[in-house]
Amino acid sequence: GAGVSQSPSNKVTEKGKDVELRCDPISGHTALYWYRQSLGQGLEFLIYFQGNSAPDKSGLPSDRFSAERTGGSVSTLTIQRTQQEDSAVYLCASLPLVTSGGGGELFFGEGSRLTVL
Amino acid sequence: GQNIDQPTEMTATEGAIVQINCTYQTSGFNGLFWYQQHAGEAPTFLSYNVLDGLEEKGRFSSFLSRSKGYSYLLLKELQMKDSASYLCALETDSWGKFQFGAGTQVVVTP
Repeated sequence: GAGVSQSPSNKVTEKGKDVELRCDPISGHTALYWYRQSLGQGLEFLIYFQGNSAPDKSGLPSDRFSAERTGGSVSTLTIQRTQQEDSAVYLCASLPLVTSGGGGELFFGEGSRLTVL
Repeated sequence: GQNIDQPTEMTATEGAIVQINCTYQTSGFNGLFWYQQHAGEAPTFLSYNVLDGLEEKGRFSSFLSRSKGYSYLLLKELQMKDSASYLCALETDSWGKFQFGAGTQVVVTP
């Protein structure tokens, strides 16, 4: 597709359930990122995949959160045993080939809004 | 830490100029970015600064002073469609890895 695609756009779940959020990045983009945006807060970095390198998981808030990226393309963010504080919009973003020097303009998807009851 | 502070909300009149300030405390970063986010939509890139000084892109300009820990985004000739949240972000140790401020909601009135 032309842009970053995320699904589902909205997810309501009960506390304690597991959820999976999917991201399909822009074709050819090698780097993929997950951020989350809680009400009234700034975007918070979660995890970053770059090519075949080990992902940067430094932003994951707990071991209930995990993500994988298959075949260098689609990524799935999994939240186990969801808690009410996990309620947020989960945004995926991608970048073309990453090189040194900075200047990474992110292309964001529309996000998946997660509500944990 | 890299505390990033920006005003919560600003109101301005159509056709006017608005300056959104962003201050931060950090020991190092690649660049300072500005993103625009309309309600319910994805953030979109506006501008970035790596070196000190002013970067101009049409109606939008961004300024950075690393020594002062300060940046601003200047929006000129405001239009109603500019009503949105403006996010100040520091690119930290990797491309695309950002520390974001909470955003400034700009309301443009007729």
